[in-house]
Amino acid sequence: SQQGEEDPQALSIQEGENATMNCSYKTSINNLQWYRQNSGRGLVHLILIRSNEREKHSGRLRVTLDTSKKSSSLLITASRAADTASYFCVLYNNNDMRFGAGTRLTVKP
Amino acid sequence: GAVVSQHPSWVICKSGTSVKIECRSLDFQATTMFWYRQFPKQSLMLMATSNEGSKATYEQGVEKDKFLINHASLTLSTLTVTSAHPEDSSFYICSVVGHGEPYGYTFGSGTRLTVV
Repeated sequence: SQQGEEDPQALSIQEGENATMNCSYKTSINNLQWYRQNSGRGLVHLILIRSNEREKHSGRLRVTLDTSKKSSSLLITASRAADTASYFCVLYNNNDMRFGAGTRLTVKP
Repeated sequence: GAVVSQHPSWVICKSGTSVKIECRSLDFQATTMFWYRQFPKQSLMLMATSNEGSKATYEQGVEKDKFLINHASLTLSTLTVTSAHPEDSSFYICSVVGHGEPYGYTFGSGTRLTVV
């Protein structure tokens, strides 16, 4: 069973800067999702991108998907201290969901 | 979107006792539910896939006799940690999959289990 690999594992930036996180995988997917988790609490669904889509936007979030390279990126623009959290990519394929290892983002005020 | 309720949100139990965690789909019929475990500072790891009316499918390395899953109805799946030990202390999260993509990716709020 596949699981996404994310990099970097940890990212520390200043408020106002952009944050980019990457997710790579090995097999086919129906879609890829990004989730956020604050300090080991519940998950918040951020955005879903289907395998036939290349880019999606939601507020300050921008997600890209390159199925030929089997990779996705999550960009958070104009970061805020409240964006501090762990971000996970989730691979979905035929009712099977797998989490990446996650990126711990710290945004310093 | 779908609403998933997970209870309890936290529980402390003594070593050797059993703990039941409930995952309820409040507004749609969930044919499939997933149970995840997350250790501190780690990602979520899939434990098992729960299918309504049939036996759960466990991931490699997960003891099915220790983590009992029951998915008796389309709105409720339960995870029972039997004879809990301190090493079972973790954050357990369920997610539900319904019919159609809008309901496919809803997570419960999680249960923090501490075994003392």
